[in-house]
Amino acid sequence: SQKIEQNSEALNIQEGKTATLTCNYTNYSPAYLQWYRQDPGRGPVFLLLIRENEKEKRKERLKVTFDTTLKQSLFHITASQPADSATYLCALLYGNNRLAFGKGNQVVVIP
Amino acid sequence: DADVTQTPRNRITKTGKRIMLECSQTKGHDRMYWYRQDPGLGLRLIYYSFDVKDINKGEISDGYSVSRQAQAKFSLSLESAIPNQTALYFCATSDRTGLFNQPQHFGDGTRLSIL
Repeated sequence: SQKIEQNSEALNIQEGKTATLTCNYTNYSPAYLQWYRQDPGRGPVFLLLIRENEKEKRKERLKVTFDTTLKQSLFHITASQPADSATYLCALLYGNNRLAFGKGNQVVVIP
Repeated sequence: DADVTQTPRNRITKTGKRIMLECSQTKGHDRMYWYRQDPGLGLRLIYYSFDVKDINKGEISDGYSVSRQAQAKFSLSLESAIPNQTALYFCATSDRTGLFNQPQHFGDGTRLSIL
């Protein structure tokens, strides 16, 4: 069966450090992978998109990698700040422009 | 004003009632989606629409129906609500341009409780 796995345990990290989140998938062959941020009581907000032929994508303090051999994406937040505390969702594009979402991974940045 | 507006934001109702959740958008996007989010299960697609005349079932459409009244409006109905439909419901939109790499834009959700 198709699966998208993100760590269910919250990541607690000291301010200023780099947070790294993992998204693993099975039985998908996505051409695109997206990352979203979700704050409590709000809808997800798009952050970054990476294509299968791209190894790495950056946006300000965010970096995403995509390894189609390992079927894995890594999401990095460098120089983390308390305002980065949120849940981060990975999403795979499949079928007719539909997204399949992981369950999300919570990040808590400690001042 | 929000680009994707969902109403109501919260709703408590009883088993067997008919409920409609509404979504309107000012982004001018052709594509609209309905998801539900449950703790520990993530976001799951209920229905999606690529234009006014195109409606498609998602992975969990049983017990739900939708109506695309206009490009900007997409409503979700629960014909006879049951307690396991208690969840957080999200509407989202995306642009058709570029076909396959457009991000989705979400509303802030409707928290639905069915007693």
